[in-house]
Amino acid sequence: DQQVKQNSPSLSVQEGRISILNCDYTNSMFDYFLWYKKYPAEGPTFLISISSIKDKNEDGRFTVFLNKSAKHLSLHIVPSQPGDSAVYFCAASARTGANNLFFGTGTRLTVIP
Amino acid sequence: DAGVTQSPTHLIKTRGQHVTLRCSPISGHKSVSWYQQVLGQGPQFIFQYYEKEERGRGNFPDRFSARQFPNYSSELNVNALLLGDSALYLCASSTAWGSSYEQYFGPGTRLTVT
Repeated sequence: DQQVKQNSPSLSVQEGRISILNCDYTNSMFDYFLWYKKYPAEGPTFLISISSIKDKNEDGRFTVFLNKSAKHLSLHIVPSQPGDSAVYFCAASARTGANNLFFGTGTRLTVIP
Repeated sequence: DAGVTQSPTHLIKTRGQHVTLRCSPISGHKSVSWYQQVLGQGPQFIFQYYEKEERGRGNFPDRFSARQFPNYSSELNVNALLLGDSALYLCASSTAWGSSYEQYFGPGTRLTVT
């Protein structure tokens, strides 16, 4: 049972434009959401997070939006750069105490110069 | 500061064998988690340890076990290896235990079972 879903396996964007990566979740107990970026042969790198008490969190070129009623979050990258090309994973954790993460299957972003 | 380190980087084992993977967390981090990532999927939670106690266990068979040492490093052990255990095994550390603590991942150990 996939509790976190990323329905777009891949996304291609021109350099300088906005990249929007989407994520849906099913478990209403999730209260913390994270985005990770992964390059080949490396572990996932933490990018940005958001608590369920917020609907937006911004860090430089990266902004995460949370829509709790729709159980949907998105990551916006503006402007997109070729170095942003990687696999992006959405993850969530629940307020039950443990902070084990539930991951989506990832979206491969390609930024075209 | 050094990030999360894992050893070995790569490992090839035969079905039925046993394997031990090692992880050193970021200095000051007391929680270590293990994840398995098979090709084309996101990481799947295996274990979490905090202050040397098991705090969470994912849906993995008893062939998988782990422990955390007084210096907060950790080992993941897998017995009676199956072909399906071939995956990237990721270790992550965080400062504490709770849903709002970010986890930082190591580079992983690539295990191939033949």
